Amino acid sequence: NAGVTQTPKFRILKIGQSMTLQCTQDMNHNYMYWYRQDPGMGLKLIYYSVGAGITDKGEVPNGYNVSRSTTEDFPLRLELAAPSQTSVYFCASSYPLSGELFFGEGSRLTVL
Amino acid sequence: GQQLNQSPQSMFIQEGEDVSMNCTSSSIFNTWLWYKQDPGEGPVLLIALYKAGELTSNGRLTAQFGITRKDSFLNISASIPSDVGIYFCAGPEGGGYQKVTFGTGTKLQVIP
Repeated sequence: NAGVTQTPKFRILKIGQSMTLQCTQDMNHNYMYWYRQDPGMGLKLIYYSVGAGITDKGEVPNGYNVSRSTTEDFPLRLELAAPSQTSVYFCASSYPLSGELFFGEGSRLTVL
Repeated sequence: GQQLNQSPQSMFIQEGEDVSMNCTSSSIFNTWLWYKQDPGEGPVLLIALYKAGELTSNGRLTAQFGITRKDSFLNISASIPSDVGIYFCAGPEGGGYQKVTFGTGTKLQVIP
C-alpha cells in the first residue's frame, strides 16, 4: 500500500523556471493538501482540495497553482520560481471530518 | 487564519525524563491533534482529542484538550532516544475539517 507518493524528492531550480510537484494517493481520500515547511519552521498550508474539481487557497498560495482533476492526484505548480520558494513541500490526504492527515515523504526544492 | 503557538520551541532532555509541551490558539478549536515528525519524513498523527477537558493516552504519550478550547498539552513519560523529532499540534477549521492548521512545533532532543 503506497499511501501518499510525491515526486520528485529533490529538485534544484533556477530563478524564473517553472515546475510541477506531483502528488498521488491510493487511499481514496477526498481531501488533499499541500504544505510547505521552511527550515526550523512549522507547516504552512498552500492549497487544499475537498474533492475532484474543487480547490481553495490556504495561508500562503502566492506563486503556486493547483488542479484536482481526479481523486488520486493533486499536483502543485510553481510558476516563475523565486528563492523564497526554497522549502520542503509536503502533500497530504485525509477522509472528510477527520483530522488525520497522511503525509508523503516530502519534496525538497532549492531555487538558486 | 488561526495561529497555533507552541512552547517550548525546542528542548534537550536526558533519556528517562518526562517531557511537557503545550499549544495555544487565538481562537477556539473543536478538535486538537498532535503529530510527530521524524527527521526527513512527513508528520504522523499521535493523538486526536475531540472534547474539552478530554485526556487521552497513547502508550507513553498523554494529551489533554484544554477546557477553554484554546489550548492543548502533550506529555511524554520516560523519554527514549526514538522520541527525538518535532512535535506539532494541529487544529482543523471549517465544518468539514477542510483546513488543518499546524502549530509552530516543539523540537525534542533526547540525550542518551
